[in-house]
Amino acid sequence: GAVVSQHPSWVICKSGTSVKIECRSLDFQATTMFWYRQFPKQSLMLMATSNEGSKATYEQGVEKDKFLINHASLTLSTLTVTSAHPEDSSFYICSATDPDRMFEKLFFGSGTQLSVL
Amino acid sequence: GNSVTQMEGPVTLSEEAFLTINCTYTATGYPSLFWYVQYPGEGLQLLLKATKADDKGSNKGFEATYRKETTSFHLEKGSVQVSDSAVYFCALSGRSGTYKYIFGTGTRLKVLA
Repeated sequence: GAVVSQHPSWVICKSGTSVKIECRSLDFQATTMFWYRQFPKQSLMLMATSNEGSKATYEQGVEKDKFLINHASLTLSTLTVTSAHPEDSSFYICSATDPDRMFEKLFFGSGTQLSVL
Repeated sequence: GNSVTQMEGPVTLSEEAFLTINCTYTATGYPSLFWYVQYPGEGLQLLLKATKADDKGSNKGFEATYRKETTSFHLEKGSVQVSDSAVYFCALSGRSGTYKYIFGTGTRLKVLA
């Protein structure tokens, strides 16, 4: 089956630094990827929709300059948390749809736990 | 806009008990409905899905039926196991517009031996 690989699985950084998270589709071309944020014991909050070759579409309340998304190829999307602060500490999850199976299945990465000191 | 309402947890059951986790939705058009499961320390995995009214999704003993008249997609299992302990998310995807997936708040299930 399709696999989405997310890296790193966890990262600890100092306040003020930037962190990049990668999301790769391993055996299909993902024209659309989604980035979610999950707070402890809460649901996934959609942050943005990433479309290959175009700008990401951000959800209301998500800072575009804070969470930079790049989807430069059909198999890779990156999320960069710029000038991270402790309140950015969270679990970030990417997901992708297989264009051949749109509407039917969303494949998830294993997530990245970000801790900002 | 589209939304998913899921029963709050946590739900604690004894092994072999019957499980129901309620999920209702609000959507325009005819969405696809899903249940995802998140085991401790892991990402989300698709558990089952239904793409049209009256469809029944099933997997690993879990079932859910797409009820358009009640806009519901309740998850059921006749006999839970300790290994079913996880967080369960109900979700929908629309068939028009941006096709975004909307998730419920998740229900934590704990099964005791």
